[in-house]
Amino acid sequence: DIVMTQSPDSLAVSLGERATINCKSSQSVLYYSNNKNYLAWYQQKPGQPPKLLISWASARESGVPDRFSGSGSGTDFTLTISSLQAEDVAIYYCQQYSGTPLTFGGGTKVEIK
Amino acid sequence: EVQLVESGGGLVQPGGSLRLSCAASGFTLSSYAMTWVRQAPGKGLEWVSAFSGSGGGTYYADSVKGRFTISRDNSENTLYLQMNSLRAEDTAIYYCAKMYQQLVLNYMDVWGKGTTVTVSS
Repeated sequence: DIVMTQSPDSLAVSLGERATINCKSSQSVLYYSNNKNYLAWYQQKPGQPPKLLISWASARESGVPDRFSGSGSGTDFTLTISSLQAEDVAIYYCQQYSGTPLTFGGGTKVEIK
Repeated sequence: EVQLVESGGGLVQPGGSLRLSCAASGFTLSSYAMTWVRQAPGKGLEWVSAFSGSGGGTYYADSVKGRFTISRDNSENTLYLQMNSLRAEDTAIYYCAKMYQQLVLNYMDVWGKGTTVTVSS
């Protein structure tokens, strides 16, 4: 199984400041046949289901603010919120879909400092 | 509008059974892979099972293999999860999610609001 490890578990960032979340996979999720990283990011606000933010490691979903960006390749990935807004308070999860079982990271809780 | 609505959750005793339903609207269920993901109270997300849109292959997490069965009714545009031999550790919110394409190796682009399963005596 591919283990997804997120860090930190939680972080507190001032409004307007940058938040950076890391996700590391135990094996590469890059498919060389199509040069795509099989890695997605989700946002979950309290009492709500997860919401897809980013697929293929860096492709922002339609309607997602451009302050959210994803980067990385192979085994190391990052979700960046360039200027934290109050509505970004949530838990963020990475997920690999390069193999079954599909696996999620443990989540990173983002709060306002 | 693409929408998923889960139902069927509830309180069940250990060893009991439940069948969850996920009614899809705004798209044709059989054209996409579909999946169930659960979240235990205060915990993270755990993938449970998936149904391929092409060929109808089914996939399970080791934690539920042999106890849970995923299926779909194309005429009803509905996904199911039959859960047998339930254990306390199956207590969770169960989310139904649509996957981006027919293959199971995909991300989840639409989620339902979830249905709560509580396994307790």
